[in-house]
Amino acid sequence: EVQLVQSGGEVKKSGESLRISCKGSGYSFLNHWIGWVRQMPGKGLEWMGIIFPGDSDTRYSPSFQGQVTISADKSISTAYLQWTSLKASDTAIYYCARGGGNLDPFDVWGQGTMVTVSS
Amino acid sequence: QSVLTQPPSASGTPGQRVTVSCSGGSTNIATNSVDWYQQLPGTAPKVLMYNNNQRPSGVPDRFSGSKSGTSASLAISGLQSEDEATYHCATWDDRLNGWVFGGGTKVTVL
Repeated sequence: EVQLVQSGGEVKKSGESLRISCKGSGYSFLNHWIGWVRQMPGKGLEWMGIIFPGDSDTRYSPSFQGQVTISADKSISTAYLQWTSLKASDTAIYYCARGGGNLDPFDVWGQGTMVTVSS
Repeated sequence: QSVLTQPPSASGTPGQRVTVSCSGGSTNIATNSVDWYQQLPGTAPKVLMYNNNQRPSGVPDRFSGSKSGTSASLAISGLQSEDEATYHCATWDDRLNGWVFGGGTKVTVL
């Protein structure tokens, strides 16, 4: 079964750093783009960026460029989303999803990671 | 403010047909295909439609998609209680060089 399993929810303070993960299984992790999508409380979906684990080619939404870092460790089939200094406005559910490169749809989604940042 | 515009809500009684619209522009819907995602309450989104009108395996044929010009639509025929969810449209934007989503439409089954 193809699946993406994300790390658990996090509660952090403003200014702290954080890295959340997304582990793929059941398919060739190297050969599929992985995207990250933010959903703020009660709001719609926002695309943050995508990474191709095979060569770490990474593209960012202009809205998130410089705010987060997307990376991947192909040896353990895991993608990451990282912040160096969280803000209260980063409070949201973050989803990883397979796809997004070459205009492909996001066909498999992780269960989401809730990040809560208190000021 | 989302790049793609969707009505915030839609509703219908069981068995009715409901449509959800998604309006964009010359740099997104006009030139690229549209995907639709269904998000049941408290769960992750799931792809419902891709390339404007293609259903992944397992998606009932009461769901259909279309695109014309700078707009796209998702139709649900024979509405069922399990269709109560939020539906999001998405496409690539050539000017922004990235994916853009609509704000989502919450469909309620009365």
